[in-house]
Amino acid sequence: DTGVSQDPRHKITKRGQNVTFRCDPISEHNRLYWYRQTLGQGPEFLTYFQNEAQLEKSRLLSDRFSAERPKGSFSTLEIQRTEQGDSAMYLCASNHRSVNTGELFFGEGSRLTVL
Amino acid sequence: AQSVTQPDIHITVSEGASLELRCNYSYGATPYLFWYVQSPGQGLQLLLKYFSGDTLVQGIKGFEAEFKRSQSSFNLRKPSVHWSDAAEYFCAVGASSGNTPLVFGKGTRLSVIA
Repeated sequence: DTGVSQDPRHKITKRGQNVTFRCDPISEHNRLYWYRQTLGQGPEFLTYFQNEAQLEKSRLLSDRFSAERPKGSFSTLEIQRTEQGDSAMYLCASNHRSVNTGELFFGEGSRLTVL
Repeated sequence: AQSVTQPDIHITVSEGASLELRCNYSYGATPYLFWYVQSPGQGLQLLLKYFSGDTLVQGIKGFEAEFKRSQSSFNLRKPSVHWSDAAEYFCAVGASSGNTPLVFGKGTRLSVIA
C-alpha cells in the first residue's frame, strides 16, 4: 500500500536560499493539497490541484511560494528567498474528486528550518 | 467560510480514565466533520468522519464522536485512554460538496499519565 510520500523529510537552509519540496500522492488520487503547520497550530491550507490545474490558492501563499503539478501526478512546492518565518512543517495530502467527501490522506510532511 | 474551534490547548488524563475533546465548528450548511490524530514528527491519521446519518460515529482505536447540530459541536470521546493515545488531535470541517479544502482547528495536545 503506497501512501502519500514527501521528500525531503527534513530541510535546514539559510535565510535567502531557495528550497523545493516534492509530494507523490496516492496513485489514483486526482486532487493534491499543500498545507503548512507551524508549532502549536493546526494545518493551514496553502493550495490545491485537481489533476494539473491549480484550483485555489490561500492568501498565505505569498509571491515567494510557487507550486506545480505539471503532469497531474507528483507536485513540487518551491519557496524562494526563504525567511525565518517560513520555518514550518509542509504537509501534502491527496484525495479523489469522485469520492466527494473531502477526506484527506496525508503524507508525513517535510520539516523546514530556516536559520 | 468554515472555521473550527478547539477550546482546550492541552489536556492531561490518567491512563484508563475517560476522555472528551471538544470541537465547535462554524459552517452555514451541513458540514462534513473529521477528527485526525498526529503523533510527534508524523503526518495526520484519520480517526473518524461524519457525513450524514447516525450522529454518533465510531472510529479507529476505540474513539467515537457525536455530531450535535444544535450546539455546532463534534466532540471526540474514548471511554478508557491508553498511554499510546498521547498525541495531538485535530478537528476539521469541510463543505458538504467535498469541493473545498478542509479547515482545521488548532489542535488539542493529549498527555497521558500513569
